[in-house]
Amino acid sequence: EIVLTQSPATLSLSPGERATLSCRASQSVSSSLAWYQQKPGQAPRLLIYDASNRATGIPARFSGSGSGTDFTLTISSLEPEDFAVYYCQHCSSWPLTFGGGTKVEIK
Amino acid sequence: EVQLVESGGGLVQPGGSLRLSCAASGFTFRSQAMGWVRQTPGKGLEWVSWISGLSRGGENWSHEDSVKGRFTISRDNFKNTVYLQMNSLRAEDTSRYYCARVTSTNYFDLWGQGILVTVSS
Repeated sequence: EIVLTQSPATLSLSPGERATLSCRASQSVSSSLAWYQQKPGQAPRLLIYDASNRATGIPARFSGSGSGTDFTLTISSLEPEDFAVYYCQHCSSWPLTFGGGTKVEIK
Repeated sequence: EVQLVESGGGLVQPGGSLRLSCAASGFTFRSQAMGWVRQTPGKGLEWVSWISGLSRGGENWSHEDSVKGRFTISRDNFKNTVYLQMNSLRAEDTSRYYCARVTSTNYFDLWGQGILVTVSS
């Protein structure tokens, strides 16, 4: 099983600041990695797939990068609606697994 | 409207059974793989089960190890519904269960609102 480790667990930032979230895989997943956003009381929403492709309707301030074992989700300038929990997920092999999440909170 | 709506959750005793349903609308259901993902406060998101869409190769499915032999995923392409039959339920199966549409590369691009399953005596 591939383990995904996200860091930091919590990121405290102000609106307008840049957010950089990390996801590290226990073995290479090539570019088979996605990022999801989850707000309280809501289901997760797909943001990024194949490491760097934005899903339909996702604003350009969200970008993903990386390959192999190290991945980054960047939010270039935080909007009030971006404060949420973010998860990574790989689909390189079975079982599909998710990271433990990074909470982006208002400083 | 493109959406997934789960039903069938609730409180069940350890060792009991429950069947979750997920009704899909607004897209060509039969050609899409579908899955179930659960979420508990302590364990985050966990993939549970996956079933393929209609294809020449027939129907395929996969389950996470902890539910193998206890949970079964199935689908009815006439009713646009995917099911999760859960047997021999344990306290650790207590979670919110999400139904999700699965892309050809196994990402979850559409989610239901989730339904709570509580296993307790």
